[in-house]
Amino acid sequence: SAVISQKPSRDICQRGTSLTIQCQVDSQVTMMFWYRQQPGQSLTLIATANQGSEATYESGFVIDKFPISRPNLTFSTLTVSNMSPEDSSIYLCSVEGFRDGEFTSSSGNTIYFGEGSWLTVV
Amino acid sequence: TQLLEQSPQFLSIQEGENLTVYCNSSSVFSSLQWYRQEPGEGPVLLVTVVTGGEVKKLKRLTFQFGDARKDSSLHITAAQPGDTGLYLCAGYSPHAGNMLTFGGGTRLMVKP
Repeated sequence: SAVISQKPSRDICQRGTSLTIQCQVDSQVTMMFWYRQQPGQSLTLIATANQGSEATYESGFVIDKFPISRPNLTFSTLTVSNMSPEDSSIYLCSVEGFRDGEFTSSSGNTIYFGEGSWLTVV
Repeated sequence: TQLLEQSPQFLSIQEGENLTVYCNSSSVFSSLQWYRQEPGEGPVLLVTVVTGGEVKKLKRLTFQFGDARKDSSLHITAAQPGDTGLYLCAGYSPHAGNMLTFGGGTRLMVKP
């Protein structure tokens, strides 16, 4: 399984500011994703981070609010722009990869998660 | 309405009791995964099921994928306080653009 490191792990941010979250993976992966988990909620996919091209955003998420970079196959960043208290969430980086060498499904590999970045906007 | 409906949303039980968490959908999934998330951490994969009718066991946890690949269950035998956490089912479905879709989660508390 891949080792995924996220920074910062936790931050308190002022309303109106922006924060960039970094995600570093210890091996090259094809697919990297960014999820949001609001307090007490499940996970919602924000976007797929594409290497060398613009990220693919899910409904309800736009590039101006959540710009994403993916300069190579082991690194991605998510910026939360012009933050408001409603942006207080856990932001999770995830990658798609093999589990112990096993291809786990015909239409998608196993998703592994970083430990998340806990943002509180005040 | 979520593509994957989990029930119950909350469950508080005593140590030693058994419990079952359900994950249901009207759509077919090519695979379903179960995660556990503890406070302050990201979700950790427990198991992936890919074949209709498949049953997988992980110590005291038993996972089942429905024959029609539209539902799954997680059964915990003799629950322990260490089982406390948020349990999430997630799956790949053509109805979700083959992106991983999460259920709403089941928050389990096991009291000693």
